[in-house]
Amino acid sequence: GAVVSQHPSWVICKSGTSVKIECRSLDFQATTMFWYRQFPKQSLMLMATSNEGSKATYEQGVEKDKFLINHASLTLSTLTVTSAHPEDSSFYICSARGYGTQETQYFGPGTRLLVL
Amino acid sequence: GENVEQHPSTLSVQEGDSAVIKCTYSDSASNYFPWYKQELGKRPQLIIDIRSNVGEKKDQRIAVTLNKTAKHFSLHITETQPEDSAVYFCAASIWAGKSTFGDGTTLTVKP
Repeated sequence: GAVVSQHPSWVICKSGTSVKIECRSLDFQATTMFWYRQFPKQSLMLMATSNEGSKATYEQGVEKDKFLINHASLTLSTLTVTSAHPEDSSFYICSARGYGTQETQYFGPGTRLLVL
Repeated sequence: GENVEQHPSTLSVQEGDSAVIKCTYSDSASNYFPWYKQELGKRPQLIIDIRSNVGEKKDQRIAVTLNKTAKHFSLHITETQPEDSAVYFCAASIWAGKSTFGDGTTLTVKP
């Protein structure tokens, strides 16, 4: 099946610093990647959709200058949380869809971010 | 936009019993309905999906039914086992579009 990796799996940082999270499709070309945020015992909240080579489309209420998304290649998308604050602490999960996966999204393992 | 409602939010069954989780969606244009299982601290894993041109799909102990007229779809797990305990999410999307997820159902299978 399609495999998506995410790095790092967890990160602890000081308030005010920026954190970059990578999402990679390992065995398929991802034409579309999605970034989600998940709070404990809650559902997946879509933050943005990125298509390779295009600017990301952000969901209402998500600050695009705070959550920078780059999808520069068919196998890599990055999410940068800029000037992170404690309220940004969360579980961030990417998913990817592309050639050979049809409509199915395959999820990465997630990144747990803790901002002190 | 699309709105997906999922019920129940928690479900507890005895090992060997069946479990049913139901979802309704609002956008009649939605045509793809996956179900994901998420264990604590792990990624959501696709367990079964159905497209709008099909009314039912089965894979061993798991089945999904779709009623396009009523705009609802259900997940059925038979002969439940303790390892089926997890959070289950339904989703709805239009082909090649973004998915809208339900709020999740926490299934507990008691041995």
